[in-house]
Amino acid sequence: DAKTTQPPSMDCAEGRAANLPCNHSTISGNEYVYWYRQIHSQGPQYIIHGLKNNETNEMASLIITEDRKSSTLILPHATLRDTAVYYCIVRVEGGGNKLTFGTGTQLKVEL
Amino acid sequence: NAGVTQTPKFQVLKTGQSMTLQCAQDMNHEYMSWYRQDPGMGLRLIHYSVGAGITDQGEVPNGYNVSRSTTEDFPLRLLSAAPSQTSVYFCASRVAGTGRYEQYFGPGTRLTVT
Repeated sequence: DAKTTQPPSMDCAEGRAANLPCNHSTISGNEYVYWYRQIHSQGPQYIIHGLKNNETNEMASLIITEDRKSSTLILPHATLRDTAVYYCIVRVEGGGNKLTFGTGTQLKVEL
Repeated sequence: NAGVTQTPKFQVLKTGQSMTLQCAQDMNHEYMSWYRQDPGMGLRLIHYSVGAGITDQGEVPNGYNVSRSTTEDFPLRLLSAAPSQTSVYFCASRVAGTGRYEQYFGPGTRLTVT
């Protein structure tokens, strides 16, 4: 699985968009980009995933660059409850269950 | 649906003791996994299972055993607890199938080994 690089921490004002970047320059053609988050002391929570196209769901949007070497998770209107560690994971389709979590980005949403 | 449940929530063991962490899911998911999370670190995969009767090792399997006799249950056994196994343990499950890597996690078991 491709390695990912994320900033260790970010701050965001409540009500503003939070844009969390992820670099995955060694991603291969059959690898998906997944985002999870972990609110303090809880189990990780799935947010969104994508392969090539931009994706949107009720929680967030995922923007993947055309060369697929990086992506951005967007929380359009961040709230205090979005304070969490956000993990970007690159995973090949099919085979096994080895979802590798790195150290992620600690997002702090403040008033 | 209760989702993924784990028991106990907290546990303190003495070095050398053994115990079993329980995990159950009611979503009929084929895949189940155990992770551990140490302070300031990401999750590391201990063992996983792709179906009843099938298990495999993850990144950090030493000191742990698993079995999968039913689709619903995936217990994790600590054979002889060591202080290095002090951690938060998460169980997760997901459906089989390509491109479907949304995993559902339990609330975790916080284990301290003294």
